[in-house]
Amino acid sequence: KQEVTQIPAALSVPEGENLVLNCSFTDSAIYNLQWFRQDPGKGLTSLLLIQSSQREQTSGRLNASLDKSSGRSTLYIAASQPGDSATYLCAVTVSNSGYALNFGKGTSLLVTP
Amino acid sequence: DGGITQSPKYLFRKEGQNVTLSCEQNLNHDAMYWYRQDPGQGLRLIYYSQIVNDFQKGDIAEGYSVSREKKESFPLTVTSAQKNPTAFYLCASSPGNTQYFGPGTRLTVL
Repeated sequence: KQEVTQIPAALSVPEGENLVLNCSFTDSAIYNLQWFRQDPGKGLTSLLLIQSSQREQTSGRLNASLDKSSGRSTLYIAASQPGDSATYLCAVTVSNSGYALNFGKGTSLLVTP
Repeated sequence: DGGITQSPKYLFRKEGQNVTLSCEQNLNHDAMYWYRQDPGQGLRLIYYSQIVNDFQKGDIAEGYSVSREKKESFPLTVTSAQKNPTAFYLCASSPGNTQYFGPGTRLTVL
């Protein structure tokens, strides 16, 4: 069964710092990998989607990489802002289970002014 | 206004009662999903449906039931057989390569 692990579980940084969130998965036979943001008590917002054939995706200050062979992905956030404070979830899609998502437990990020 | 709606936002249930959580989408997506989230945990798949009148169990289907009579709707019933139903429930729909999530329903058993 696919297992998704996110490190660290929590992170606190001062505003302006660059930071990296890590995600690892046990089965490299994935369809794609997504990074989501979740604010407290809210649903999920998709940040970046990387297809299995791609190495990275960028959106504004966010950059996500994928190394499928080693089962790893990183989310890089440049010049962090207090508004980036949220929980970041990594999820992989596998072709069985109707392309449902397998999630990590998330990294809780706090950016202090 | 397109998107996924879930209702109610908060739901309270007495032990032994069945409750139904609503999920509606107007995105014309074929696939729909139900996930459960517990504090400090990732989301876990309860049920999914890839087409109307068809659905499959996910990893934690025991104590739950669903129906998919219309493309737009995928209601989830939490039955009295679910031993620990207090959680945050999220519905999603998909056109194929990514999923779009609703705002969630927080269920509390009193």
